[in-house]
Amino acid sequence: QVTLRESGPALVKPTQTLTLTCSFSGFSLTTSGMCVSWIRQPPGKALEWLALISWDDDKYYSTSLKTRLTISKDTSKNQVVLTMTNMDPVDTASYYCARISSGGGAGMEHDYWGQGTLVTVSS
Amino acid sequence: SYELTQPLSVSVALGQTARVTCGGDNIGRKNVHWYQQKPGQAPVLVIYRDNNRPSGIPERFSGSNSGNTATLTISRVQVGDEADYYCQVWASSTGVFGGGTKVTVL
Repeated sequence: QVTLRESGPALVKPTQTLTLTCSFSGFSLTTSGMCVSWIRQPPGKALEWLALISWDDDKYYSTSLKTRLTISKDTSKNQVVLTMTNMDPVDTASYYCARISSGGGAGMEHDYWGQGTLVTVSS
Repeated sequence: SYELTQPLSVSVALGQTARVTCGGDNIGRKNVHWYQQKPGQAPVLVIYRDNNRPSGIPERFSGSNSGNTATLTISRVQVGDEADYYCQVWASSTGVFGGGTKVTVL
């Protein structure tokens, strides 16, 4: 079955760089149409899409956060990594990774999600 | 940038029908997906591409999309349907989520 799990530091200091890893199983990012997104949710607030990487290594980023984000994949390890630079307390949120299995097509719905990891930015 | 507008809250009596709207410029031309999120849990896909239900989602959940409004409809609402609901589209190769609607069952 498809599973995704986020991992990374629970606490980062302001100005530091955050590195999050999404480890997945049950599918391969070498399969045509497969993509992984990162999405975050500040406590009590709405979901915010951050970035996406596709099976053919296309990368897309949130317009407002583009300068701070980098997404990459390691297909041999079944992992997707997101880095976010210059962290600020407003970046405190639960960070989720989610799969898309219909990339390149009409849909691109997030059909499987990880449980999320809470990252707090504080000195 | 593209924006999606949802009502903050919708209240519905047990067993009645709840409708959650998602407004966006010509949203009828886009594929709309809906996610359900219960407290402390990750979102779950309940409707994809306007009106399709993933396996395991009850037939009580349905969707429509036309003009400037997409709608998630929950028929015969149950206590377990109480949750936050988010619509989502893609615009200019970026993902966009609505602000979320809290559905309360009375």
